[in-house]
Amino acid sequence: GAVVSQHPSRVICKSGTSVKIECRSLDFQATTMFWYRQFPKQSLMLMATSNEGSKATYEQGVEKDKFLINHASLTLSTLTVTSAHPEDSSFYICSANSQGATGELFFGEGSRLTVL
Amino acid sequence: QKEVEQNSGPLSVPEGAIASLNCTYSDRVSQSFFWYRQYSGKSPELIMSIYSNGDKEDGRFTAQLNKASQYVSLLIRDSQPSDSATYLCAVNSGGYQKVTFGTGTKLQVIP
Repeated sequence: GAVVSQHPSRVICKSGTSVKIECRSLDFQATTMFWYRQFPKQSLMLMATSNEGSKATYEQGVEKDKFLINHASLTLSTLTVTSAHPEDSSFYICSANSQGATGELFFGEGSRLTVL
Repeated sequence: QKEVEQNSGPLSVPEGAIASLNCTYSDRVSQSFFWYRQYSGKSPELIMSIYSNGDKEDGRFTAQLNKASQYVSLLIRDSQPSDSATYLCAVNSGGYQKVTFGTGTKLQVIP
């Protein structure tokens, strides 16, 4: 299967700081990537769809100014959690589709954010 | 009504038994169906995809799709303790923004 790499895997930051998470497709080009958030023992929640060269599409209830997404190339999307607060502590996972609109999603390793 | 429904479990089966995981979906135009396995603290891993009615087998895993009943299932034969995880059903109704995940079924394989 296709490889999606995410970095960092774990990050701890102080409240009020910003944190950037990178998502890379290593062996394919991804015009679209997806960002999910998962709280403990809960299901995946789609936050936004990242589109190469254009603005991201955010799901209802997700603050676009809080979660900045940049998809500057066909292999890299970044999620920046701005002015992080303890309630932003979560497991953030990116995914990409390597086979067109109906193909499988491949996930990055995930990034566990802890805001103190 | 949830778009993709799964029983949250936990589903407990003894080692060596068959585990049967079920999923129903609401969008009749759904085209692609996937099963992901997620270990605690890890990201989901794709284990099966199925696109047409019937069965698809891959090793100990069999995915079954019935579009008329809007039902997809995953059978795990000879269940192993290492199969203990949460299994997510995902449905793609076409287009990049239409992959919907179920809430997952937690499977426990008892040694």
